[in-house]
Amino acid sequence: DSGVTQTPKHLITATGQRVTLRCSPRSGDLSVYWYQQSLDQGLQFLIQYYNGEERAKGNILERFSAQQFPDLHSELNLSSLELGDSALYFCASSVGSGQGLSSYGYTFGSGTRLTVV
Amino acid sequence: AQSVAQPEDQVNVAEGNPLTVKCTYSVSGNPYLFWYVQYPNRGLQFLLKYITGDNLVKGSYGFEAEFNKSQTSFHLKKPSALVSDSALYFCAVRVVHGSGNTGKLIFGQGTTLQVKP
Repeated sequence: DSGVTQTPKHLITATGQRVTLRCSPRSGDLSVYWYQQSLDQGLQFLIQYYNGEERAKGNILERFSAQQFPDLHSELNLSSLELGDSALYFCASSVGSGQGLSSYGYTFGSGTRLTVV
Repeated sequence: AQSVAQPEDQVNVAEGNPLTVKCTYSVSGNPYLFWYVQYPNRGLQFLLKYITGDNLVKGSYGFEAEFNKSQTSFHLKKPSALVSDSALYFCAVRVVHGSGNTGKLIFGQGTTLQVKP
C-alpha cells in the first residue's frame, strides 16, 4: 500500500456519461497530481493541485475538471465521455509543490481503470 | 520544449546478465530525474532519483542510474537481472526554475523490460 488511495479501481460506463474519480493523498502530502495513461499516449500529466489550489495544468480536456477539498482529497470529473477517454487514471501526491520534494518524489496510487463503451 | 525520451520500447535480457534501460532528456534549467517501475495492474513505484551530487545514483532493488549532463542521459542499470525485474520502466524529469517550479513530472513513453530465465 503506497498510502495514496484511489477509488474506484474499475469503472465501466457508456459514452456521453459523467464519472468522478477520487483520490486520497498520502498523509502529510499537500500536492495532488492527476495523470492519464493510455497505450498510444503514454503517461500524460493532466492537472496539479496544491493545498486546495490549482497549481499547474497539462493536457487536460475542457470536458475534464478537478478539485482538491479542504481535507486534501481530490476528485477528477470526466464528462461527455468518449471511447478515447478509456484509460488508466493515476493520482500521485507529494509533500510540496516547489522545492520541497519528498525522498520518493511522488507517491502514486494504483489507479482507476476507466472503460467507456 | 521539455521532454524525456526512452528510445527502446522493449529490452530483453537473460537472467544474471547486466541490464541497461536508456533515457535521455531535454529541459531548460536543472533537471530532477527519476525512474519508476510499473508492474501489471499496479501504480508506479519509485526506484531512484537524481537531484544533485554524485552522478551515480543507487536505488531500490539493486538498480542504479548514471546521470550524464553532457549527453543529457540518465540510463537505468542493474549488474545482474532477475526474472522478477520484468516490468514497465518509466524515466521522468521535473524541472526546477526557482519560483517557476510547478512540481509536475514529464514521463518518457516507458520501456518494457523482459528478463528471461
